[in-house]
Amino acid sequence: AQSVSQHNHHVILSEAASLELGCNYSYGGTVNLFWYVQYPGQHLQLLLKYFSGDPLVKGIKGFEAEFIKSKFSFNLRKPSVQWSDTAEYFCAVMSWGGSQGNLIFGKGTKLSVKP
Amino acid sequence: DTGVSQDPRHKITKRGQNVTFRCDPISEHNRLYWYRQTLGQGPEFLTYFQNEAQLEKSRLLSDRFSAERPKGSFSTLEIQRTEQGDSAMYLCASSPVSQTGADYGYTFGSGTRLTVV
Repeated sequence: AQSVSQHNHHVILSEAASLELGCNYSYGGTVNLFWYVQYPGQHLQLLLKYFSGDPLVKGIKGFEAEFIKSKFSFNLRKPSVQWSDTAEYFCAVMSWGGSQGNLIFGKGTKLSVKP
Repeated sequence: DTGVSQDPRHKITKRGQNVTFRCDPISEHNRLYWYRQTLGQGPEFLTYFQNEAQLEKSRLLSDRFSAERPKGSFSTLEIQRTEQGDSAMYLCASSPVSQTGADYGYTFGSGTRLTVV
């Protein structure tokens, strides 16, 4: 079965610090990869997605993620975080084979940015 | 607002009662999904529809749960004989489907928070 692991449960950073959130998945076939963000009191929003092509994908608000197939990883990065980035971040994977209706989420990483 | 709408936003019910939630997806999206999210966890898949057909159900969806999408538009999720363990945020999402069958990311609603007392 597919699974998604997010390494950090809670990350605390100061403004302007660099961010990297880890995400690993278990599935040997072709996958689509996503990062979603949930700001306090708001619904899940798509941050970025990878389907094919350039493994470095850029999303909204200065976020980017790199797909490394050999490591089954899709880490999220941002060079300089802002207080407004305080939110919970979820990595998710969908496989092309088998069930195509099932987006599997990690448990999430809560990011707290201190002003 | 052209996003995914869920109603109600909050529901408090007594154990043993039945509850029903509604989801209105983005109109041109033919796939609709239900997820459940508990504190400290990511969303967990419950079921999904393509148009009016329910194509997959998770093992999390016990026989007390039923979902419908009768006309391929809005969907309802009913929980019968609620238990305290059903307390969670119930999320609905929708997506279009490409010709290859691959989805292009979901649009989520704000969810219905259920509290069973």
